[in-house]
Amino acid sequence: QQQVKQSPQSLIVQKGGISIINCAYENTAFDYFPWYQQFPGKGPALLIAIRPDVSEKKEGRFTISFNKSAKQFSLHIMDSQPGDSATYFCAASISGNTPLVFGKGTRLSVIA
Amino acid sequence: DGGITQSPKYLFRKEGQNVTLSCEQNLNHDAMYWYRQDPGQGLRLIYYSQIVNDFQKGDIAEGYSVSREKKESFPLTVTSAQKNPTAFYLCASSGWDRRTYSGANVLTFGAGSRLTVL
Repeated sequence: QQQVKQSPQSLIVQKGGISIINCAYENTAFDYFPWYQQFPGKGPALLIAIRPDVSEKKEGRFTISFNKSAKQFSLHIMDSQPGDSATYFCAASISGNTPLVFGKGTRLSVIA
Repeated sequence: DGGITQSPKYLFRKEGQNVTLSCEQNLNHDAMYWYRQDPGQGLRLIYYSQIVNDFQKGDIAEGYSVSREKKESFPLTVTSAQKNPTAFYLCASSGWDRRTYSGANVLTFGAGSRLTVL
């Protein structure tokens, strides 16, 4: 049973373009939605996170959009750069003590 | 610098052998986790521990064992009962998130251990 569905599996974007990765969740008790970035051979690192009482969170070129009624959230990377090429994971949890549930990941390639 | 240290980074073993992966953290985090990463499968939870001397099974615990005798350490043993042990193993710990809001847990990951069973 996959609780967090992520798409697309891979994405190629031109330098300067917008990268968009989508996630959908099933458990309405989830109240914490982070995105992690992973470079090859490294562990993932927290990129940005949101709670469901806001519809958008922006940090620099990275924005999370959250739609509670649709149970969906997405990551937008503005002005995508080759250095953004990595695998991105969305995740969800019930804040407090439950472990994160991860999506399957999106491999992003930003080409010049 | 605070962080998580996983060792070894690469490990080769023959089928039927048990192998133990080390994970040490100096972040003073209470909770620690083990995830397995396979291509196209995302991160799947093996075991997690919220306090010393206590741990819970994750989604794919079969063929694995853990211990949590110290707050700083959470070793994972891949036993011969694990049918497909070749994978990238990630250890993580969690503490309160000051960047987003109090009460949320942020996972800090180690650099991973790549296990290949020949």
